[in-house]
Amino acid sequence: DVKVTQSSRYLVKRTGEKVFLECVQDMDHENMFWYRQDPGLGLRLIYFSYDVKMKEKGDIPEGYSVSREKKERFSLILESASTNQTSMYLCASSHLLDRVVGNEQFFGPGTRLTVL
Amino acid sequence: KNQVEQSPQSLIILEGKNCTLQCNYTVSPFSNLRWYKQDTGRGPVSLTIMTFSENTKSNGRYTATLDADTKQSSLHITASQLSDSASYICVVMNSGAGSYQLTFGKGTKLSVIP
Repeated sequence: DVKVTQSSRYLVKRTGEKVFLECVQDMDHENMFWYRQDPGLGLRLIYFSYDVKMKEKGDIPEGYSVSREKKERFSLILESASTNQTSMYLCASSHLLDRVVGNEQFFGPGTRLTVL
Repeated sequence: KNQVEQSPQSLIILEGKNCTLQCNYTVSPFSNLRWYKQDTGRGPVSLTIMTFSENTKSNGRYTATLDADTKQSSLHITASQLSDSASYICVVMNSGAGSYQLTFGKGTKLSVIP
């Protein structure tokens, strides 16, 4: 069974704090992704990584950074949390692209972050 | 600009009834379209994938259709169950020149009531 786990289901932080969200997958997937999900806006890509130490900006990278030191682990970092970063954060992983059928993303359960 | 529009935004149906969710896209060049189901408090899970050459694909009580000419897809749910209550997300992939991009719809929230 594919498993993507996230370090916390719920997290409450204060404005200005540094926040770490951790994601681990056990399927030896090359690709890993971080999304945020907000009501009425759907899923938006923050960053993704296709290999260890590699990262690419998504659609909304401002205010975030990422780290991928090991293949199975992808971390999202909020250097100085702000209230507009209150959201549901979803991690996903997938194999390298299959150009015929694409690649299914396997999602973690999400972390609901509240920044006060 | 690549876009995926889903309708309706939300839907309430009685248990046992059928329903159809719509996904219209303006993604080019089209590679495939995937439907995900997201239960409350969980991450999305893939239901089905449609490639350019496929018109219809079923997964149990879920049937997806694709009309590549009109750039429309639908997800039909037959004999709905309470467990079908979830958000359904349409994701379209375009690929070319060594890269690919996923464009997500905002989802349709389905509530099935007894």
